Amino acid sequence: ETGVTQTPRHLVMGMTNKKSLKCEQHLGHNAMYWYKQSAKKPLELMFVYNFKEQTENNSVPSRFSPECPNSSHLFLHLHTLQPEDSALYLCASSLRQAVWETQYFGPGTRLLVL
Amino acid sequence: SQELEQSPQSLIVQEGKNLTINCTSSKTLYGLYWYKQKYGEGLIFLMMLQKGGEEKSHEKITAKLDEKKQQSSLHITASQPSHAGIYLCGADILSETGANNLFFGTGTRLTVIP
Repeated sequence: ETGVTQTPRHLVMGMTNKKSLKCEQHLGHNAMYWYKQSAKKPLELMFVYNFKEQTENNSVPSRFSPECPNSSHLFLHLHTLQPEDSALYLCASSLRQAVWETQYFGPGTRLLVL
Repeated sequence: SQELEQSPQSLIVQEGKNLTINCTSSKTLYGLYWYKQKYGEGLIFLMMLQKGGEEKSHEKITAKLDEKKQQSSLHITASQPSHAGIYLCGADILSETGANNLFFGTGTRLTVIP
């Protein structure tokens, strides 16, 4: 257990569906991250929130919409996704967004878009 | 271009053998992190190196960061089936926005044959 939980663990959705991924951390951290992991590609950073403020949007399509209501919770809202969006979505947290601050990861949500 | 290069991409060893995984950057690293990932799951933090020449150990796993802080190696002594998984290096590199983000290599898949 890393102190970071993600739900659901698996999700299958059609291209017209709307769904949300949830991440919660119990570590007292102030920075939270969304990553996408596709086969044979490095982890791709999607979004970063530091003290509830979005500090990074790594050219992510608008069909992905993040939300960070407080430092402990992070959501990723999904709308009209494409099959190429199928991947493992990982959430992470760290004390703050800075060098030498270790990120701790959740177990991920395996997403399949049909 | 790939920020971090890991080698080898995959490795199959007999139980009890030693092995080394390398991670190389074209840029100076502020911090270098090693994670382990079981297939389809989240990343488990192993260790973080921040000083040139630094070496850390955890059980039978030792990681080093070279003096110039552009390469790291992970060494496993007397490998066991429990060491199997994907090993990922991550590095603190300043993004174009000036914020600190973590970039990852593509990973090394380790199989340990009993």
